[in-house]
Amino acid sequence: QKEVEQNSGPLSVPEGAIASLNCTYSDRGSQSFFWYRQYSGKSPELIMSIYSNGDKEDGRFTAQLNKASQYVSLLIRDSQPSDSATYLCASYTGGFKTIFGAGTRLFVKA
Amino acid sequence: KAGVTQTPRYLIKTRGQQVTLSCSPISGHRSVSWYQQTPGQGLQFLFEYFSETQRNKGNFPGRFSGRQFSNSRSEMNVSTLELGDSALYLCASWTGRGNTEAFFGQGTRLTVV
Repeated sequence: QKEVEQNSGPLSVPEGAIASLNCTYSDRGSQSFFWYRQYSGKSPELIMSIYSNGDKEDGRFTAQLNKASQYVSLLIRDSQPSDSATYLCASYTGGFKTIFGAGTRLFVKA
Repeated sequence: KAGVTQTPRYLIKTRGQQVTLSCSPISGHRSVSWYQQTPGQGLQFLFEYFSETQRNKGNFPGRFSGRQFSNSRSEMNVSTLELGDSALYLCASWTGRGNTEAFFGQGTRLTVV
């Protein structure tokens, strides 16, 4: 079983819609969770981090964490074509190790 | 503040050769992690170094090794290259404390022919 799982997509949404990206993790000891965005041919860049249950909002982005369900999600409101990228979910499991999911490809159609 | 620097950016090697990749973390960051990225596999954790000590290692064969120097720069080495080692190798820089986000270099694209 993979430690961090994501639907590989592609997820296609029209411009202006809400994109919903989901991630599950297997290690109940995971402490911190991150969402990275990776454009084609580029390296990942952090867009959100979340450490406690609930929602965390930053501009058009909202991260949601449910530790009981071992579930993390990222909502992107008012999606733009520039949001088209691969989104990587990651969890810090302790032991100096951060595990990444395989990523979900998002396409925002103009 | 300079970012994470990885060299070289691109590399073509022949099967059986060895390769050394370099990573200079953000100034003040003492921890470096290495990841291998291949299509469909996401980022696979290779190892993590802090203050010249390897603190964790992923599930890769012994052909993959690394080290960190006193100035926090890190190198990873792959010996006896195989075609399957073709990938993007990413270095991530951390402050060294847990629960922090990674800052990635641009990566080294290794092609084994």
